[in-house]
Parts: sequence; structure tokens; C-alpha cells
Amino acid sequence: AQSVTQLGSHVSVSEGALVLLRCNYSSSVPPYLFWYVQYPNQGLQLLLKYTTGATLVKGINGFEAEFKKSETSFHLTKPSAHMSDAAEYFCAVSEVTGGGNKLTFGTGTQLKVEL
Amino acid sequence: NAGVTQTPKFRVLKTGQSMTLLCAQDMNHEYMYWYRQDPGMGLRLIHYSVGEGTTAKGEVPDGYNVSRLKKQNFLLGLESAAPSQTSVYFCASSYSLRGWPGELFFGEGSRLTVL
Repeated sequence: AQSVTQLGSHVSVSEGALVLLRCNYSSSVPPYLFWYVQYPNQGLQLLLKYTTGATLVKGINGFEAEFKKSETSFHLTKPSAHMSDAAEYFCAVSEVTGGGNKLTFGTGTQLKVEL
Repeated sequence: NAGVTQTPKFRVLKTGQSMTLLCAQDMNHEYMYWYRQDPGMGLRLIHYSVGEGTTAKGEVPDGYNVSRLKKQNFLLGLESAAPSQTSVYFCASSYSLRGWPGELFFGEGSRLTVL
């Protein structure tokens, strides 16, 4: 069975500082990994995904994540935080079968950006 | 440019009442999903569908039923609501591409309170 662990339910950074949100996964097969963002009172939208190939994945809004198989990690980073980045972030792992793309989500990390 | 639309967006029920949440997508996606989101628990898969006329159980199916009579619609039903079903419900859809994880597109959520 696949699972995702997000370390830190709340992360606070200063505007302009590095953002680092941690995600570790467990999967019995090569994983597909995702980061989603949720702004208040909205649905989730895809930030980036790793399927195969290059382990450093770039997404929208300046975010990127690196797949490290040896560490079973897929941490999300952004060099310089902006106030508009304040949101909840979810890491997810996928098992793609004939039953579609069933995602297993982590419990989420609330990012706060302070002046 | 609607994407995934959920109705209603808010609903208050009394214990034992029944209701149906409607999800409609206009992207011609094969796969559709219902998730529930609870504080500190991330999103958990309730039921999903891989095509018109098919449904399957997810991680937390008890107390819910679903139907996919038309490709564009996925209904989630609560036959006898319980306070434990107070949650925010998200519908999502994705395209079908053999062996490749299609991005999930989410609706804006339906907030259900059961008294």
C-alpha cells in the first residue's frame, strides 16, 4: 500500500525566504508523485508532478521538487517566498492501474508567509 | 470554461436525513472521484469511477453510495447522514491514458454539516 508523510502541519517563513515543504512516500512500485496547492475555500490545483525521467521537476509559480529514490522523498522548494504563496500544500502519491489515477494524499502543510 | 462543478456548495442536514451531491465535468474525462477532506487528515478517497456505468470503493466508502449514469456526471449519496460525515467533499476528474497518470482536476468543494 502506498502512503505519504508530510513533516510539519504548519510552516512559517518570511517573505523572500526559502520555502521548504517536506514529503516522504512509501510505495511498492515506482511512484508517481504530485504536489497540489489549495487556496482558502477553493479546490486543489496541481503544482507539479514527477512521473519518469528528470528527477528535478519544475512547476508553476516558481516551485520545484526533487525526487530522491534513495531517501524516498519529494520535497517542495521555492527560492523566495511571496505573500501569495500562503496556502495549504498537499503531497500525493499515485498508483496508476486500470482503476484510474487514485491519489493517496498526505495530511497537508499550511504555509504562512510573514512580512 | 467550467471544468468540474459541484452542487450544492453548502448544505446542513439533520442526522438521518438523506441527500445527493452532484458533480459535473465538461472535459470528457473518463475517470471521476469523490474525496472527503477533514482537518489533519488530508483528502481520503470515498468512491471512484473509471467510466460510465461503473463505480468502485475507495478508502472510506461506508455510508456513501455513488452512481455514474452519464459520463459527465458523478453523484454521491448519503442515505442516512451521521455527524461523522460532516466534512468538505471534493469531486475530481482525470483523463484516461494507459499507464500514464493524468492530472486530477478538482471542483471547489461542497461543505456538508450534519447536526
